[in-house]
Amino acid sequence: QSVLTQPPSVSAAPGQKVTISCSGSSSNIGNNYVSWYQQLPGTAPKLLIYDNNNRPSGIPDRFSGSKSGTSATLDITGLQTGDEADYYCGIWDGSLSAWMFGGGTRVTVL
Amino acid sequence: EVHLVESGGGLVKPGGSLRLSCAASGFTFSDFTMNWVRQAPGKGLEWVSSISSSSSYIYYADSVKGRFTISRDNGKNSVYLQMTSLGAEDTAVYYCTRDSSSWCCNWFDPWGQGTLVTVSS
Repeated sequence: QSVLTQPPSVSAAPGQKVTISCSGSSSNIGNNYVSWYQQLPGTAPKLLIYDNNNRPSGIPDRFSGSKSGTSATLDITGLQTGDEADYYCGIWDGSLSAWMFGGGTRVTVL
Repeated sequence: EVHLVESGGGLVKPGGSLRLSCAASGFTFSDFTMNWVRQAPGKGLEWVSSISSSSSYIYYADSVKGRFTISRDNGKNSVYLQMTSLGAEDTAVYYCTRDSSSWCCNWFDPWGQGTLVTVSS
């Protein structure tokens, strides 16, 4: 069981919005920056969001991140079929001296 | 262009050893922490180990501590993962990924394509 808790799956119709939560604790999300990764089927993960709410070059602004207290959120607006993937939150846990990934959330476009 | 290429995966018997390599190009390798992350078949991502730019700081997941050793050669732009006492639970695709800075750990970008390690008799 992951230290970071994500819903196993979320779904929505094309054009709609999905929200993926990532719940942690004061030793990780409460004290460090969250990053998010997208893993399309059969491919390596890709950085989607860093430092809670920043997008690397080339990532559409349909993807946005936020953090409040010990939870973080990834929003995907204007959902597209190409967004079907697994999404992971990640963060350094200072008390464990270890990097943590959430269990992952599968996004399905209905 | 930043590029990471893993190699060394394969089939190994339980209790055996394997050494993974990751060759980096397109950036100043000695300026960045490097990491290994694995993914068992059908499962999520699991961080394995990190090594800072000058090898001063090294971290391991509890699941591999005492069995795996991470190292790097900044002259060869490469990072390694020596794996011993392998068990079925170590079967996974192993990804090499760069950290955002010289110290651990901020975010991981980019990722290599991965190398598959299968532990089976």
